[in-house]
Amino acid sequence: RKEVEQDPGPFNVPEGATVAFNCTYSNSASQSFFWYRQDCRKEPKLLMSVYSSGNEDGRFTAQLNRASQYISLLIRDSKLSDSATYLCVVETGGFKTIFGAGTRLFVKA
Amino acid sequence: EAGVAQSPRYKIIEKRQSVAFWCNPISGHATLYWYQQILGQGPKLLIQFQNNGVVDDSQLPKDRFSAERLKGVDSTLKIQPAKLEDSAVYLCASSLESTGAEKLFFGSGTQLSVL
Repeated sequence: RKEVEQDPGPFNVPEGATVAFNCTYSNSASQSFFWYRQDCRKEPKLLMSVYSSGNEDGRFTAQLNRASQYISLLIRDSKLSDSATYLCVVETGGFKTIFGAGTRLFVKA
Repeated sequence: EAGVAQSPRYKIIEKRQSVAFWCNPISGHATLYWYQQILGQGPKLLIQFQNNGVVDDSQLPKDRFSAERLKGVDSTLKIQPAKLEDSAVYLCASSLESTGAEKLFFGSGTQLSVL
């Protein structure tokens, strides 16, 4: 079993749609969680951190479920510019970072 | 603030040749990472340095890959000899010692093609 697993997609959604991605992790000792965004042929960039209490940033909401060992990312009112690959990142002690394979999102007009 | 610098941007070599990549992290960032990203996959950590000490190199194919970080600043990643399956983007990233992935900054990467 992979340490961090994501549905690779692609998710094809129309503008204005709501879309959600899940990510599961296997190490129950994982401490920190993040969502990164990667545009085609670009480097990954931090989208948002995922806190135990949840985290909202505009149209983006991230949640953590430690009991079930998954994190989620919800995007409301999708824009064309949201088209990208969304990478789930799990961090264990010593800042060891593990990236998921990513979920591709295509938002169409 | 200057970002993470990597060179070269692209490299094409034949299998069994050697290649080296260079990374200069953001000034003051103690932690430096080398990732390998194969097309369609997420970045895979090859090696993580804390200053000039190795924190994690469990996924580094040590029979052909080597990395060093002299004086806790610049780093080089070398492949010798290269195989076809090494074709990938090699990403360097850095972070402050106390922030880890919360403030992980990536360079533009080196795209390696092994023919």
